[in-house]
Amino acid sequence: SQQGEEDPQALSIQEGENATMNCSYKTSINNLQWYRQNSGRGLVHLILIRSNEREKHSGRLRVTLDTSKKSSSLLITASRAADTASYFCATDEDNAGNMLTFGGGTRLMVKP
Amino acid sequence: DAGVTQSPTHLIKTRGQHVTLRCSPISGHKSVSWYQQVLGQGPQFIFQYYEKEERGRGNFPDRFSARQFPNYSSELNVNALLLGDSALYLCASRPGQPTKTQYFGPGTRLLVL
Repeated sequence: SQQGEEDPQALSIQEGENATMNCSYKTSINNLQWYRQNSGRGLVHLILIRSNEREKHSGRLRVTLDTSKKSSSLLITASRAADTASYFCATDEDNAGNMLTFGGGTRLMVKP
Repeated sequence: DAGVTQSPTHLIKTRGQHVTLRCSPISGHKSVSWYQQVLGQGPQFIFQYYEKEERGRGNFPDRFSARQFPNYSSELNVNALLLGDSALYLCASRPGQPTKTQYFGPGTRLLVL
């Protein structure tokens, strides 16, 4: 079973626009991570936000976390064609990073 | 430094056969986790090994087994393959606490006919 659900499942935007992806989860968490996957290959870690944090930035990425609503969002600003990928949120069940539970992902297409 | 490596990259098997997938973690990483990713879905946790011991197991049948060797590399074995085992199998390594980030390999794509 999957802990999180991403919304939307697919998103198509023009280069330069912002992309927002949302993730909802079911149980209490210690941290939430976002990963990116290009064309069915390995996942790349983007950012981790702890349960006591509300917002975190990394370059063009902005992540928010609302533990009361059990939801998180990933914002990519000024998108580029190279941002085309699938994006997954993952919750850390044991707070040790050993067993991540992923959502179904958002497939982002950025058109040049 | 080399990243996580997995072999083979692609594999075709028939129902009932057995398969062994291999993973070499990043140098210095002692934790290895395995995930199954069915097409169109997110990865699902199968196993985690640390210091050659199983530390976590997902909701997978006993046909799935794994082990970790003294050099921290790992094997995932699947017996009596079913069509539904067709998936991308991902290996991830982690250096250990306090780092919670997992570093993924490129995966092995298994097709069961």
